[in-house]
Amino acid sequence: ETGVTQTPRHLVMGMTNKKSLKCEQHLGHNAMYWYKQSAKKPLELMFVYSLEERVENNSVPSRFSPECPNSSHLFLHLHTLQPEDSALYLCASKDSLAGGGETQYFGPGTRLLVL
Amino acid sequence: GENVEQHPSTLSVQEGDSAVIKCTYSDSASNYFPWYKQELGKGPQLIIDIRSNVGEKKDQRIAVTLNKTAKHFSLHITETQPEDSAVYFCAARNTGFQKLVFGTGTRLLVSP
Repeated sequence: ETGVTQTPRHLVMGMTNKKSLKCEQHLGHNAMYWYKQSAKKPLELMFVYSLEERVENNSVPSRFSPECPNSSHLFLHLHTLQPEDSALYLCASKDSLAGGGETQYFGPGTRLLVL
Repeated sequence: GENVEQHPSTLSVQEGDSAVIKCTYSDSASNYFPWYKQELGKGPQLIIDIRSNVGEKKDQRIAVTLNKTAKHFSLHITETQPEDSAVYFCAARNTGFQKLVFGTGTRLLVSP
């Protein structure tokens, strides 16, 4: 257990559905990340939140909408997705304060299939 | 921006052999290089990291070496065991953007 949990672990949705992915960290960290992991590709950074403010939006389509209501929770709202959005979505957290270290701690991911 | 290349994409070894995975990076300003291990059904977990002011770091059976001049770094696993089987990712931190750029991963299979 890394201290980062993600739900659901698996999700199948149609292109017209709306769903949300949830991430929760129990490590007291103040930075949280969403990554997309596709087969044979590097992990793609999608969004970064630091102290609940979005500090990075890596040219992600608007059909992905992040939300960070507090430092322990991160959501990814999904709507009108495309089949090419099928992937493993990983959440990570980090202590971004000075002296907090470099390590990002990852959750187990949500395996998303868009039909 | 930073670009990280990783080789090989797959690596099969016999138990007890050594395994070496290599990565190159493009941004000479990058100063932090972690290695992550991802087992089936789990997220990546940090196994070792190195900073640019150090040439080598070792932790039991794993070691990482860094050549700043050539802009490449390598992961070395000695006395491999079946539980070392996983996908390994290298990454480099781009100082300017404070984010990790990952390689494409190496699937390591250790056969008993």
